[in-house]
Parts: sequence; C-alpha cells; structure tokens
Amino acid sequence: DTAVSQTPKYLVTQMGNDKSIKCEQNLGHDTMYWYKQDSKKFLKIMFSYNNKELIINETVPNRFSPKSPDKAHLNLHINSLELGDSAVYFCASSQDWTQYFGPGTRLLVL
Amino acid sequence: QKEVEQNSGPLSVPEGAIASLNCTYSDRGSQSFFWYRQYSGKSPELIMFIYSNGDKEDGRFTAQLNKASQYVSLLIRDSQPSDSATYLCAVNPSGTYKYIFGTGTRLKVLA
Repeated sequence: DTAVSQTPKYLVTQMGNDKSIKCEQNLGHDTMYWYKQDSKKFLKIMFSYNNKELIINETVPNRFSPKSPDKAHLNLHINSLELGDSAVYFCASSQDWTQYFGPGTRLLVL
Repeated sequence: QKEVEQNSGPLSVPEGAIASLNCTYSDRGSQSFFWYRQYSGKSPELIMFIYSNGDKEDGRFTAQLNKASQYVSLLIRDSQPSDSATYLCAVNPSGTYKYIFGTGTRLKVLA
C-alpha cells in the first residue's frame, strides 16, 4: 500500500501553461506539505495544511496555489509556468513530527 | 548565515568504517531534529529523529545532539555500499510546523 502518492510522476510542459499536481495520503495524518527540490537538491517548504487549513505559506509566487479538499488530499496548481519552476515537487504528510514523503513529481518547463 | 548548514561532500569512507555526518543550525530555540536519507532519484526517507541532548541509537545509526553548540550529527557504523546516498538534516524551529532542511551531504561508501 502506498502511503503518500502523487500524480503525475513526470510532467513536461511549455512555458506559460497551467498545470496541477495531486497528492493523496492514506495514513490518516492531519498535516500535509508541499516541498520544492531544486537541481542542487535543496528541499524547501512551500505550503502546509493542517486539517484542511493553511498553516504555512512561504514566500512563493502567487502563481502557485494549494488546495486541500479534505485532510487526505493536497493539490498544487501552478499558473503561467516559468522555466525556473522546473524542479521536483514532493508532497509529504505527518502526524506529530515525523514526515513521510511521496515519490515526487518531476516537472520540466520548456 | 544559512538556517541549517551541512557540508555538501562527497564524504567517502571505506566499507566497514564509521561515517560521521554533521549539521549546524541557527535557531537556538529549535526543538526537533531529523535525519533523512535520499537515494538518487528517490524521495527523502526518515532515518532518525532526536529531541534531547545526547545520543540516540537505532541499529547502525546514532544521532547526537548538542543544543548548546547547535549541532546535530549522524554516525553510521559498519558503513555499507548501500548507505551511499545524500543525507539531509532537518530542523523544526520552535513554535512552528515548519521543517528547515540543510542542503545535504553526499556519502559514498567504497567497496
């Protein structure tokens, strides 16, 4: 059973397009996160939701909009994609302080 | 000063040796500290967490925390080639839900 899953695994798209990444966790955790990992492997938090409420909103362009329809799902929508958005995006969930990461979505903007 | 600092490596150790990975952090009020392992092309995987000063052992792994000096380290005993990966240190600053990650140390265990 996959604990934290993301779709799609790979995403190749043109600059200016809008795309979404979906995340689901079946661990019953209350808190979910989106991270961006750049080409230098630096993992940086973007957003976090606790029981569908936004609790962390880092300095991220407002082209990025998270949405949590329920506590098991956290989606990320990106408008007007730019070259610099190319990265691996990881979803994670946690209960207490232990985080579990999804497999990542590799986004390439051409 | 970066919030969480790690030497990027690579750190090369022979098989069977002890690998020592270090991490320093800037927020003195930080409460929780984590070590993740990330294989190339894979997601981070939690190895250990530590909250209290001192050592915490789990199998071949030992985490060491010194809050006064603001560093946390990970020792891997009897290193195996399968331990070759990037090790990420993460810190949970006090009063937040955030995790601040270091840039990771690449470990190579030579057979």
